[in-house]
Formats: sequence, C-alpha cells, structure tokens
Amino acid sequence: DIQMTQSPSTLSASVGDRVTITCRASPGSWVAWYQQKPGKAPTLLIYLASTLQSGVPSRFSGSGSGTEFTLTISGLQPDDFATYYCQQYNSNSLYAFGPGTKVEIK
Amino acid sequence: ELQLVESGGDLVQPGGSLRLSCVASGLTVGDDYMNWVRQTPGKGLEWVSVIYRGGSTYYADSVKGRFTISRDDSKNTLYLQINNLRVEDTATYYCARAIKWNAFDIWGHGTLVTVSS
Repeated sequence: DIQMTQSPSTLSASVGDRVTITCRASPGSWVAWYQQKPGKAPTLLIYLASTLQSGVPSRFSGSGSGTEFTLTISGLQPDDFATYYCQQYNSNSLYAFGPGTKVEIK
Repeated sequence: ELQLVESGGDLVQPGGSLRLSCVASGLTVGDDYMNWVRQTPGKGLEWVSVIYRGGSTYYADSVKGRFTISRDDSKNTLYLQINNLRVEDTATYYCARAIKWNAFDIWGHGTLVTVSS
C-alpha cells in the first residue's frame, strides 16, 4: 500500500508569508495538490507535481521528484487559509491522499 | 459548465445497504475515469473506487468485496453500491473525475452516509 506523509500537519502563518508544505510519496508516482475549505469539496491546484491547474493563481507552485514533493504559496492571501492535501497515483496501488496540512492564521 | 451532483446518502444501520448516484453534466462518464472518494468527519480523504473508460473497476482494500462501482451511460450517471455497511463507512462520499494524469479535476458537492444503530 501507498503510505504518504505530509509535513507539517498544521502551519500558522500571516498574510503575505511564503509557506511550504512537504509531501512524501512512493517512488515513480504522479503527484497532485488540492485545497479544501470547510464544508466544500477539494479543488485541484497542481498536477504532475508542478503543472498549475487552469484558473489557479500563480502564487501556488509545486516542485519535486522521486519521493519528495513540495507545494509553495508565495504571498499568502486571506483566501488561502484552508487544508491542503497531496495525492499520488501509482500503477501498483492506484490512488492515495496524504493526511493533509491545515494552514491557519497566525 | 462541468458538474457532478451526488445523491443517495442517508442514515443506515450497520449491515445495511445504500446506492449512491452521481449525475454528470457537461462531461460524459463513459469517456472519463470516474471515481468515488470519501472523507470521514473531521478527517482526511480516502480514495474508494474507480471505473475506467473501458469498464475496468478497482477498489481500495478497505471496501473490496462490499462496494461496487458502475455507470449507466444512457443516464450519464455513476453509481456506488455499498453493502454490509460498517460504522467506519460513515463519511461524505464525493464523485470525482480523474484527468489524464490521474489528478481529480472535477468534484461533486458530496453526499453524507451515516452508519449508526
């Protein structure tokens, strides 16, 4: 089974901060990132580790390869306080999500 | 507009059954990789099942043998038949489309399944 990790589990930050979330995935996986707000479905931010989904602000970026991937928000906005999930696809075990990172207002 | 609308969630007793539906508009369920993803209250996301364009189906180990994914192309609708429900199946169930790179780009609003005696 895919065992994904994310760090930190909670992050306190201020508007304008640069924040980075790290995800550890299985080797050879395709990685995506999502934002979720309370009571809402997740929305896709990044796919193929670094490709920005259409309509997503450019302050969001993704990077990484192998087993370690990062989501960076450059210049945190009030609308960005939410929970972020990484997700991987692997041909052996198919889909899995990380445990999530909650970005809170400091 | 691309849209997925789930229904069928309910309060059921352990051991019971439910069928969840997901009606698609603006996209064709038979042409895409269609999935069910669930989220337990206050917890994270768990992928449940996928049905591929050709009809192949796959399941998470936690639901294998109890859940069945299917679709009706004439109704452009995705289904999830859930049998022998357990308390731990309590969750909001989302249908979601997976794009070519296996990321979920379109999600429904979710339907709540509560399993309790």
